[in-house]
Amino acid sequence: QKEVEQDPGPLSVPEGAIVSLNCTYSNSAFQYFMWYRQYSRKGPELLMYTYSSGNKEDGRFTAQVDKSSKYISLFIRDSQPSDSATYLCAMSYQGAQKLVFGQGTRLTINP
Amino acid sequence: GAVVSQHPSWVICKSGTSVKIECRSLDFQATTMFWYRQFPKQSLMLMATSNEGSKATYEQGVEKDKFLINHASLTLSTLTVTSAHPEDSSFYICSAAGSGQREGLNSYEQYFGPGTRLTVT
Repeated sequence: QKEVEQDPGPLSVPEGAIVSLNCTYSNSAFQYFMWYRQYSRKGPELLMYTYSSGNKEDGRFTAQVDKSSKYISLFIRDSQPSDSATYLCAMSYQGAQKLVFGQGTRLTINP
Repeated sequence: GAVVSQHPSWVICKSGTSVKIECRSLDFQATTMFWYRQFPKQSLMLMATSNEGSKATYEQGVEKDKFLINHASLTLSTLTVTSAHPEDSSFYICSAAGSGQREGLNSYEQYFGPGTRLTVT
């Protein structure tokens, strides 16, 4: 079993829809949870960063962490075609800098 | 802020030659740099972690003699693929983490370079 599981998609939704992206993990020692966006042939870009459980909002993006269920989510409101990319979740342990990535979900927003 | 650059952005080399890829943190000091490789439609696989002034720590299965990493300063790390073969063709991405001038940047946030596409013919 992989430490971090993420549905690779692809996921295709119409412009303006709310998008929900998710990851599950198996190791309860993870404390830091990140979401990255990666455009084709580019490096990942940090979108959201959360420590432990709870919600965090930044503009159209909301990150949720449910440590009891070992489940994290990223919501995108009012999705735009420019949001089309691969979204990667990543996690790290307390005191460690090494990131463990999910497989990434390919998202397409259709105009 | 928190900009990481890589050079070159793409490179084609012949089998048996060596290729050096540079990773620079432009506006912060990177105490730690990471090197990843990514195959098409797959996630990032960590190859090694390097701390400035010390030897890199390689992940299991990564040949340290083939992938030479040097982290000579707080803003520069290099990855040299020695005696490259077609199976080394991949997208190589570095990331950097560390305290710096930008408010809010902490060691648990990694900032990624744009990647280097290596093709070995």
